[in-house]
Amino acid sequence: EPEVTQTPSHQVTQMGQEVILRCVPISNHLYFYWYRQILGQKVEFLVSFYNNEISEKSEIFDDQFSVERPDGSNFTLKIRSTKLEDSAMYFCASRPRTGKTENEKLFFGSGTQLSVL
Amino acid sequence: GNSVTQMEGPVTLSEEAFLTINCTYTATGYPSLFWYVQYPGEGLQLLLKATKADDKGSNKGFEATYRKETTSFHLEKGSVQVSDSAVYFCALSDHLDMRFGAGTRLTVKP
Repeated sequence: EPEVTQTPSHQVTQMGQEVILRCVPISNHLYFYWYRQILGQKVEFLVSFYNNEISEKSEIFDDQFSVERPDGSNFTLKIRSTKLEDSAMYFCASRPRTGKTENEKLFFGSGTQLSVL
Repeated sequence: GNSVTQMEGPVTLSEEAFLTINCTYTATGYPSLFWYVQYPGEGLQLLLKATKADDKGSNKGFEATYRKETTSFHLEKGSVQVSDSAVYFCALSDHLDMRFGAGTRLTVKP
């Protein structure tokens, strides 16, 4: 089965530094997402992206966050100046064109564990 | 807006016990419903799903039935194994978004 790929699997950074988390969604997918999970807490929606623009974002996704699809394959999440509370597992997800119920399945990557020191 | 509420954990069971993890939802339309599982040290994996009322999703001995009248999607398994120890997330999707419950940690003891 095709899969969403995330790199790196673990990223350690100093507070105040910029980080870029990388994702390669499944090639024919059109909708892209970032979620995060702080250790021991629930999975939180950050942002959804379609047609080269943000379609929805949560209150967590403030000016420190940005997303980009720089080419036809990558989908990145950038945190400009990391804070301690940004430490979490970040999940990328993608899904195909909607319109068919069987296409509503989100395909998740295995996550990037971000540790801010 | 859409939301999902699931049973708080942790849940601890003995091997071969019956499992139920409750999940209820609030949605304006007719969402699809999912259960995801996160094994220790791994990412989220889709366990099962149901796309319309009265559908039953099943996988690896787990089942959940989409109940529109009670807005529920409870996860069940007749006989759990130690390898089922994980965190289970109920979720809903309305074509453009996915919302997750808080997760229920299941520990199965031999």
